[in-house]
Amino acid sequence: EVQLVESGGGLVKPGGSLRLSCAASGFTFSTYTMIWVRQAPGKGLEWVSSISSSSTFIYSADSLKGRFTISRDNAKNSLFLEMNSLRADDTAVYYCAREIYYGYSYFDYWGQGTLVTVSS
Amino acid sequence: IQLTQSPSSLSASVGDRVTITCRASQGISNNLAWYQQKPGKAPKVLIYAASTLKSGVPSRFSGSGSGTDFTLTISSLQPEDFATYYCQQQVQNNLPTFGPGTKVDIK
Repeated sequence: EVQLVESGGGLVKPGGSLRLSCAASGFTFSTYTMIWVRQAPGKGLEWVSSISSSSTFIYSADSLKGRFTISRDNAKNSLFLEMNSLRADDTAVYYCAREIYYGYSYFDYWGQGTLVTVSS
Repeated sequence: IQLTQSPSSLSASVGDRVTITCRASQGISNNLAWYQQKPGKAPKVLIYAASTLKSGVPSRFSGSGSGTDFTLTISSLQPEDFATYYCQQQVQNNLPTFGPGTKVDIK
C-alpha cells in the first residue's frame, strides 16, 4: 500500500525556519517525481515545488522567491522541504504527493498534510 | 498557465446532475486532472487526461474537454460527493497549477 506521511510542521516565528519531511512507503520511491503542495486556511491548493526522481530537475513557485528548497534522499525514501525566512502568509497545511507522468500529469497519492503556523 | 473555475460554489440536491467548468488561459491539450477534497482531508484524484476515470472512482463522475475548456460532471449527486473540486494542469515544460476550486454543498 502506498503511503506518504508528512512531519515537521508546527508553530514558528516570522523569519524562522522549518524543515518538513515526507516518508514514503509501498512503492519504488526513487522512480517518481515528488511534489509539495500547500493550502492556506480556507483557501485553495497551491503548488510549491517539484523534484524529479534523481533530483536532476527541481522547480519551485516564483512566489516563494527562493526561500524554500526541496530535496530528497532516495536511500531513505524521504522527501524534504526546507523553509526559510518564513512569513505569516506561509501558514498552511503542506502536502507531499506523488506525480504520475505519461505525457499528461497528475498527482495520485497524497499525504495527510502537516500544518505550519507562522506567528509571533 | 492560469485556470479559472465556474461556478465558485453551488448548492445542489442528492440526485442532481452537476457540471463544473474549468478554463485554461491557453491551450493545454488534454493535460487536465480533477480532484475532490473534503474538509480536513487531502485531495483525491478523480479524472486525469481530461476524461480518464481513475480506477476506483464511481462512474457517475466524468470529464470532458480539450484545449482550453473542460468540464467535470457528476451525473447523480450522492451525499458523499459534497466537497470542493479542483482542476489542475501541467503541460510539458510548464509548471503545475490548480484552479481556485468549486465548493458543492447541500441545497
